[in-house]
Amino acid sequence: GESVGLHLPTLSVQEGDNSIINCAYSNSASDYFIWYKQESGKGPQFIIDIRSNMDKRQGQRVTVLLNKTVKHLSLQIAATQPGDSAVYFCAVKEGAQKLVFGQGTRLTINP
Amino acid sequence: NAGVTQTPKFRVLKTGQSMTLLCAQDMNHEYMYWYRQDPGMGLRLIHYSVGEGTTAKGEVPDGYNVSRLKKQNFLLGLESAAPSQTSVYFCASSYGWYNEQFFGPGTRLTVL
Repeated sequence: GESVGLHLPTLSVQEGDNSIINCAYSNSASDYFIWYKQESGKGPQFIIDIRSNMDKRQGQRVTVLLNKTVKHLSLQIAATQPGDSAVYFCAVKEGAQKLVFGQGTRLTINP
Repeated sequence: NAGVTQTPKFRVLKTGQSMTLLCAQDMNHEYMYWYRQDPGMGLRLIHYSVGEGTTAKGEVPDGYNVSRLKKQNFLLGLESAAPSQTSVYFCASSYGWYNEQFFGPGTRLTVL
């Protein structure tokens, strides 16, 4: 089955800096990837997604990069703000009807 | 437009008791899901439904049952609760597998 892992369980950045959160997956047939943000006491919230026919996708202050060769994706957050403090999960679609979530990276913003 | 709602928000059960968690969505989504989230872990799929009257097993279905009698509702049942089922349960819905999932606020369940 699919294995989805994040490189770092925690990440601390200075306010205003850029943040990069990484995720690795194991199934080369995976074709859909999503990043979610989860604030304390709340359900996950969709940030951005990307399909396997793309390498990069940009949203508002966020960019997702997909490297299918090494089975790696990353989430870049520009000009990190205090409101970005949360746990970030990558999710990878495996097979016909399954989405596998990573364990999450907790992003802390230092003033 | 309430999105995805879950009831109850908190519940404490004794081992062997039963209960039902209710999920409702008002976005006319075909797909609905039940996940559990344990400390320090990502979400694991329990059961899902691809339309009214359909259900299917996810990654960790044992000890749970589900029903989707109405398109807008997805019920998760625990017939005989065990301490290992202590977790936070999230319901989600989406248009399809290649669409974002909208999550509810979660139900924190403790089984003593």
